[in-house]
Amino acid sequence: GNSVTQMEGPVTLSEEAFLTINCTYTATGYPSLFWYVQYPGEGLQLLLKATKADDKGSNKGFEATYRKETTSFHLEKGSVQVSDSAVYFCALSVTAAGNKLTFGGGTRVLVKP
Amino acid sequence: NAGVTQTPKFQVLKTGQSMTLQCAQDMNHNSMYWYRQDPGMGLRLIYYSASEGTTDKGEVPNGYNVSRLNKREFSLRLESAAPSQTSVYFCASSEMAGRSEQYFGPGTRLTVT
Repeated sequence: GNSVTQMEGPVTLSEEAFLTINCTYTATGYPSLFWYVQYPGEGLQLLLKATKADDKGSNKGFEATYRKETTSFHLEKGSVQVSDSAVYFCALSVTAAGNKLTFGGGTRVLVKP
Repeated sequence: NAGVTQTPKFQVLKTGQSMTLQCAQDMNHNSMYWYRQDPGMGLRLIYYSASEGTTDKGEVPNGYNVSRLNKREFSLRLESAAPSQTSVYFCASSEMAGRSEQYFGPGTRLTVT
């Protein structure tokens, strides 16, 4: 089946620190990969996506590269801000599975001033 | 545009009571989804509707029913609530089942005592 594994949090950082959240996946078929972000008290928002190997998704200073050889899609940001405090979810979808999203467990990130 | 709206925001039920969670989207999307979010487990798909007039089970459908009332609205019903259904429920929509960029509502926090 399809599954997503991401590092458990919480991850606590100081402002301007470098952030990495690891995400690995298993999939039957060729998946599209996503990062969603959930700010406190809100629903999830799409942060970035990549649909084929070696694609790099980017948005709001965040980046993630689709690595087929290591089945990974790690999220990075070079200099975090307090406003980046949120829960981050890695997810995949496979056309053969009706494009339904499979989510990882989420990683809570707390950025302190 | 309001995007995806959900009502109610909060609800407390006693075991055995029933209730319906409402969801509506104004983006003219074809596909709609219901998820539950539990700590450390990410989001799990309960039911989805690929298009108006169709519904299908997701990963955790037991204890729930859904109705795709029209293209805009997709409701989730708990016929006899159980404490195991205490969770945060999210509705989402996407342009079509083949496009996995899903847009999420703000969630309903349900407690079953």
